[in-house]
Amino acid sequence: AQSVTQLDSQVPVFEEAPVELRCNYSSSVSVYLFWYVQYPNQGLQLLLKYLSGSTLVKGINGFEAEFNKSQTSFHLRKPSVHISDTAEYFCAVSDKTSYDKVIFGPGTSLSVIP
Amino acid sequence: DGGITQSPKYLFRKEGQNVTLSCEQNLNHDAMYWYRQDPGQGLRLIYYSQIVNDFQKGDIAEGYSVSREKKESFPLTVTSAQKNPTAFYLCASTRGPSLSTYEQYFGPGTRLTVT
Repeated sequence: AQSVTQLDSQVPVFEEAPVELRCNYSSSVSVYLFWYVQYPNQGLQLLLKYLSGSTLVKGINGFEAEFNKSQTSFHLRKPSVHISDTAEYFCAVSDKTSYDKVIFGPGTSLSVIP
Repeated sequence: DGGITQSPKYLFRKEGQNVTLSCEQNLNHDAMYWYRQDPGQGLRLIYYSQIVNDFQKGDIAEGYSVSREKKESFPLTVTSAQKNPTAFYLCASTRGPSLSTYEQYFGPGTRLTVT
């Protein structure tokens, strides 16, 4: 069975500082990986996804993530955060080999401090 | 603009009453999903449907029911059998029949409070 771990439930960071949100997954098969963002009382929006190819993936709003197969990680990074980045971030994984479900991590709440 | 609409945004019900949450999409997507979100638990899959007139249970289907009579619509009924129905409910859709290939597009959610 697949699972997703987001090691930090809350991450406070000062405006214009860099940030890394950590995501680790477990799976016995090849996977697709996603990061979603959720602003308060809204649905989720896709930030970026890894399907295949280059392990460094660039997304919207200046975010990027790197797929590390040996460490089963897919950490999200941004070199300089803005107040508007304050939101909940979810890492998700799905199984390439079957019509299985997408598994979401518990989420990381990013708070940008002015 | 294409997208997913969920109505209403806030819903209040008395314990013991069934309630139906609406989800409509005009993206021409084949597959649709319902998730439940509780604080600190991420999203949990309730039901999903890959084609019209067919749907499958997710991880927490007990106390819920769905229908998929039209491609655009996937309503969720929260029945009185659901022990703890108060939550934020999210509807999503994907282009293809496989969850495993495509990103999911989400609606704005419905916050259900049962007292």
